[in-house]
Amino acid sequence: AQSVTQLDSHVSVSEGTPVLLRCNYSSSYSPSLFWYVQHPNKGLQLLLKYTSAATLVKGINGFEAEFKKSETSFHLTKPSAHMSDAAEYFCVANTGGFKTIFGAGTRLFVKA
Amino acid sequence: DGGITQSPKYLFRKEGQNVTLSCEQNLNHDAMYWYRQDPGQGLRLIYYSQIVNDFQKGDIAEGYSVSREKKESFPLTVTSAQKNPTAFYLCASSIAGSGNQPQHFGDGTRLSIL
Repeated sequence: AQSVTQLDSHVSVSEGTPVLLRCNYSSSYSPSLFWYVQHPNKGLQLLLKYTSAATLVKGINGFEAEFKKSETSFHLTKPSAHMSDAAEYFCVANTGGFKTIFGAGTRLFVKA
Repeated sequence: DGGITQSPKYLFRKEGQNVTLSCEQNLNHDAMYWYRQDPGQGLRLIYYSQIVNDFQKGDIAEGYSVSREKKESFPLTVTSAQKNPTAFYLCASSIAGSGNQPQHFGDGTRLSIL
């Protein structure tokens, strides 16, 4: 069965330190992978997507993610956290068609 | 600006009442989706539509109904049969035909029981 696992429900970092949000997927086929961010009482905003081109994907707001097929991972990183990065982040997979699989989300806290 | 508009932002339902959540998009997307979000959980698909006058049940369609009479509009009705409707509802749209296209989301409607 296809699945997306976000390994941490909560991550806390200090402002100016690196961010790492972990995501593993399980799929029989090479999926398209996405990271979205959700601020309170808002919809999801696309950060970046992987669709079998370059394995290192750069997104908005300084975020990037690396697709590692051997590890079935698609971790999201940012070199230096900002207070405005505090939000919930969703890793999402799609193996074709209309079936989209959402991870349970990781809430990022940024301390001043 | 192109985007998705959901209304109302907050909605309250009385026992035995049906309520309808509005979703309008001006992105010219063929596909539209409704999701339910509960605290600490990912999004769960209620219904989706690939094209006008066609829609399919998602994972949790019981107690909900939809229509797709126009390309721009995909309203969701929460019926009295949905016994636990309190949640955050998100509408999304995408270019149809391929899973490598991202979905664009509205800002949601929060539904509560009176």
